Formats: sequence, structure tokens, C-alpha cells
Amino acid sequence: TQLLEQSPQFLSIQEGENLTVYCNSSSVFSSLQWYRQEPGEGPVLLVTVVTGGEVKKLKRLTFQFGDARKDSSLHITAAQPGDTGLYLCAGTDSNYQLIWGAGTKLIIKP
Amino acid sequence: EAGVAQSPRYKIIEKRQSVAFWCNPISGHATLYWYQQILGQGPKLLIQFQNNGVVDDSQLPKDRFSAERLKGVDSTLKIQPAKLEDSAVYLCASSLIIASGETQYFGPGTRLLVL
Repeated sequence: TQLLEQSPQFLSIQEGENLTVYCNSSSVFSSLQWYRQEPGEGPVLLVTVVTGGEVKKLKRLTFQFGDARKDSSLHITAAQPGDTGLYLCAGTDSNYQLIWGAGTKLIIKP
Repeated sequence: EAGVAQSPRYKIIEKRQSVAFWCNPISGHATLYWYQQILGQGPKLLIQFQNNGVVDDSQLPKDRFSAERLKGVDSTLKIQPAKLEDSAVYLCASSLIIASGETQYFGPGTRLLVL
């Protein structure tokens, strides 16, 4: 069974600080996606990474896919209260199914 | 472009009762997914449709859960009878095709509380 482990499970920091959340697996994925979910809403796609070693930037968010395509990280620079949410990673397995992590609940305090 | 619509948004029922959820995917999306998300966890796939055919229902508790997508557009998910552990958010998502890295678009979910 493929698993994606996310860490930390919960993170609460002050506005302006930097943070990194991680998504790790022992399995290889053909692609990996990061979603953000706000209370009362469904997840919304932030980015898809496909190539090992790939780095993508979305304003203050930097996403990296590991060289072996087994892990990924999300780094947020100068976090803002609007970044608060549940961050979920999901990897595509060989059957094109999405394997989901449990998420990192992020709270940015003003 | 309209997003994925789900109803109802909230439902409270007693155990052993029945409940049904409805989903209208984005127009033209062939693939539809139903997920169960328990508080503090990531989404768990219950069933995946490609048009009106089932692609994967391996994690659907078939003794109590059923789903259909008769005309390849709207879908309903039913629970009968409900158990306390069914309390969760039920998310519907759709995508254009089945492919690696394909974006799934989610509805707002139906929050179910079983008492």
C-alpha cells in the first residue's frame, strides 16, 4: 500500500515567518500535487510537479519534487494570515489514482 | 465556468437512517470522484466513475454505501443504514480525463453528522 506522510501535522507561526512542510513516501509517483483546503470548502489545486528535482514557485510559495520522485516540500516565505489552511499533498500512482497525505494544518497569526 | 456543485451542504441524521448526497460536476468532465474526509485526515476515495461506468470502488463499503451516475453527468451517493463512524465530509470532484497530474476540481462538500 502506498502511503504519503506529511509533516508536521500542525504548525502555528507568526505572520512574516518562513516555514516548510514535507510530504514523504517510500513509493515513486509519476506526479505530485499540492492542494490547499479552507474550512467548509473542498481542496483547491496549488501546483503539480512531474519531473524529479523540479522546483516551482507560486508567489511566496516554493514547491520542490525530490530527485527520486518520492518526496516533496512546500516552503512559504513571509507567511501571511491568508495562507492559513490545510495543505494536502497527493501523488499519482501507476493506476492514475491519487494517494493523499493526511495534511498539514497551518495557522498564521497576525 | 461553474464549479462542482454539491447538495446538501449539511446533514444531521440518526444512526440507522438513510441519507443521499448529490453532485453535479463541471460540464464536460468525464471523470467523477466521491471522497470521504474524516476530520484531521486527507480525502479517502470511495468511488471513481468514468462517464457512467465505475473505474474503482475498492474502498466503498458496499454493504451500506451505493453510488450511481446514470447518465454520465450527475451522481448520487447513498448511505443506508448510516453508522456513527460515517460522520465526515463527503467531497465530490471531477476531472476532464484520467491522467497523471490531471487536476481534480472539488465541490464544497457535504458535512454529515450521524447521532
